[in-house]
Amino acid sequence: DSGVTQTPKHLITATGQRVTLRCSPRSGDLSVYWYQQSLDQGLQFLIQYYNGEERAKGNILERFSAQQFPDLHSELNLSSLELGDSALYFCASSLRHWPSSTDTQYFGPGTRLTVL
Amino acid sequence: TQLLEQSPQFLSIQEGENLTVYCNSSSVFSSLQWYRQEPGEGPVLLVTVVTGGEVKKLKRLTFQFGDARKDSSLHITAAQPGDTGLYLCAGANDYKLSFGAGTTVTVRA
Repeated sequence: DSGVTQTPKHLITATGQRVTLRCSPRSGDLSVYWYQQSLDQGLQFLIQYYNGEERAKGNILERFSAQQFPDLHSELNLSSLELGDSALYFCASSLRHWPSSTDTQYFGPGTRLTVL
Repeated sequence: TQLLEQSPQFLSIQEGENLTVYCNSSSVFSSLQWYRQEPGEGPVLLVTVVTGGEVKKLKRLTFQFGDARKDSSLHITAAQPGDTGLYLCAGANDYKLSFGAGTTVTVRA
């Protein structure tokens, strides 16, 4: 158990819908990262927040957005869903504003999103 | 196109054999990490290598970072069924981690 929690574990929805994925980081961790893992693209970095502020952006679509709240939990919002958005979505957390050779990203168990 | 190329994509060996997984890139990274991921779970960090030429050992696992900090290898000695999993390398730059596509390792008892 990494200490990072993600809900829900599974989500099935239809094309065109909007969903929200939730992540609670490890106690004390200030940074939250979101990743998408699909069979054809592998694990792709989406976005990072540090202490409530966006710090780095990766291959995140405009239909996707995220935020980190004052209690440090984070939500990833996916809208106008397409079949190709079906994937595993992971949240990770770390203590500091990464990268540091002594800092570690701890991954949650993921949310499996299926778009029908 | 993956920034990091891992090879082989799949590896199936008998218990007790050795194996090596490679991770190559044309980019220089400030550090490189190796993760292992099991089905239905998130990746778990195995090691971080920072210095070019660095070698780290973790029990039966040996990790090496290339001199130019562009490539890395993971060597497992006397593999066990518990080593089965997806091994991912990830390079760090600009506050981002770029992952390779992974190597699926299966160790048969």
